[in-house]
Amino acid sequence: DIQMTQSPASLSASLEEIVTITCQASQDIGNWLAWYQQKPGKSPQLLIYDATSLADGVPSRFSGSRSGTQYSLKISRLQVEDIGSYYCQQAHSNPWTFGGGTKLELK
Amino acid sequence: EVQLVESGGGLVQPGRSLKLSCAASGFTFSNYYMAWVRQAPKKGLEWVATISTSGSRTYYPDSVKGRFTISRDNAKSSLYLQMNSLKSEDTATYYCARTTYYFDYWGQGVMVTVSS
Repeated sequence: DIQMTQSPASLSASLEEIVTITCQASQDIGNWLAWYQQKPGKSPQLLIYDATSLADGVPSRFSGSRSGTQYSLKISRLQVEDIGSYYCQQAHSNPWTFGGGTKLELK
Repeated sequence: EVQLVESGGGLVQPGRSLKLSCAASGFTFSNYYMAWVRQAPKKGLEWVATISTSGSRTYYPDSVKGRFTISRDNAKSSLYLQMNSLKSEDTATYYCARTTYYFDYWGQGVMVTVSS
């Protein structure tokens, strides 16, 4: 199975700050990676797919990038509505696996 | 607007069975693969099952293979998850999701608690 190691597990940041979350795949997954946002008490929502493509309706302050088997989600200017948990997911091969999650809080 | 509404959750004893349902609307259900993803309390996300458009192909992780069965009724735009031989570690919120490798729409989730 492909392991997705996500870091940090938790993160405290200030409004307007730049936030970066990373995910390390245990093997090559190409661009088969997605990022999800889960606000407190809500269902997850797709943010980024194919490592760098923004899902419909997602603000442009969110972006995804890839360097080898390391993937990053960047929030350029943190807003209060961005608070919640974030998960990466590989779609390269069965079983589809998620990272452990990053809980983002306001400082 | 895409809507996915799960039902059928509840409290069940270990070893017993439960069947979840998901009613879909706002898109052509028969054109999409569908999936179930679960989240144990205060934990991360775990993919549970995927089914092809016709229902002829199904996919499961080892953690539920042989115990869970995903199915669909395209005429009713409905997705199902039959869960047998339930264990305490199956306690989670179960989400129905539309999938195209990624999970692009999710339901609100339904809670399943396995406890004696």
